[in-house]
Amino acid sequence: NAGVTQTPKFRILKIGQSMTLQCTQDMNHNYMYWYRQDPGMGLKLIYYSVGAGITDKGEVPNGYNVSRSTTEDFPLRLELAAPSQTSVYFCASSYKGEGAEQFFGPGTRLTVL
Amino acid sequence: GQSLEQPSEVTAVEGAIVQMNCTYQTSGFYGLSWYQQHDGGAPTFLSYNALDGLEETGRFSSFLSRSDSYGYLLLQELQMKDSASYFCAVRRAGGGNKLTFGTGTQLKVEL
Repeated sequence: NAGVTQTPKFRILKIGQSMTLQCTQDMNHNYMYWYRQDPGMGLKLIYYSVGAGITDKGEVPNGYNVSRSTTEDFPLRLELAAPSQTSVYFCASSYKGEGAEQFFGPGTRLTVL
Repeated sequence: GQSLEQPSEVTAVEGAIVQMNCTYQTSGFYGLSWYQQHDGGAPTFLSYNALDGLEETGRFSSFLSRSDSYGYLLLQELQMKDSASYFCAVRRAGGGNKLTFGTGTQLKVEL
């Protein structure tokens, strides 16, 4: 199993550009998450999904959108990139169980200039 | 709202024992998780406590006191490879096993 994979690993965007961060998991997990992590800080939840077709906002959803058309894929869309979106983005997935371990992808380092 | 407090840095010597604390303020608390993150890497799961008491997994132990809104992670027989950031995270009310993370404690293990 590859676990959780993310592409791209690195990206530089200009202000106002848009892009999609890809996330795929092959563990048949119901739950998937997108986090951002700023330098020296903890992770903040952007959006999450409890199953295909169901998504909901986390703590910091502004400027982002998500979709979940399949169990495996959970892309994150950035519209009109801003310097404040410079961060490392992690995708994660987990089973439904109480306190279930979240498995993280390797992350995407995004810089907006 | 939710808030978690962790010391920003802890230094210890190889072979020693270190305790990293986490205090939280939250409504709808379900449990406390701990994750390890090496520089440039992804977080990896260490433990989850839903009930008061100590959970042990090898060299790692995690403790929770719900009445004190407090938990800690204990690492024994420290190794150089344990140098990393350690995050506590509260499992939040509502669906989806959502987590709110603290800002992390950076552990430096010295010879």
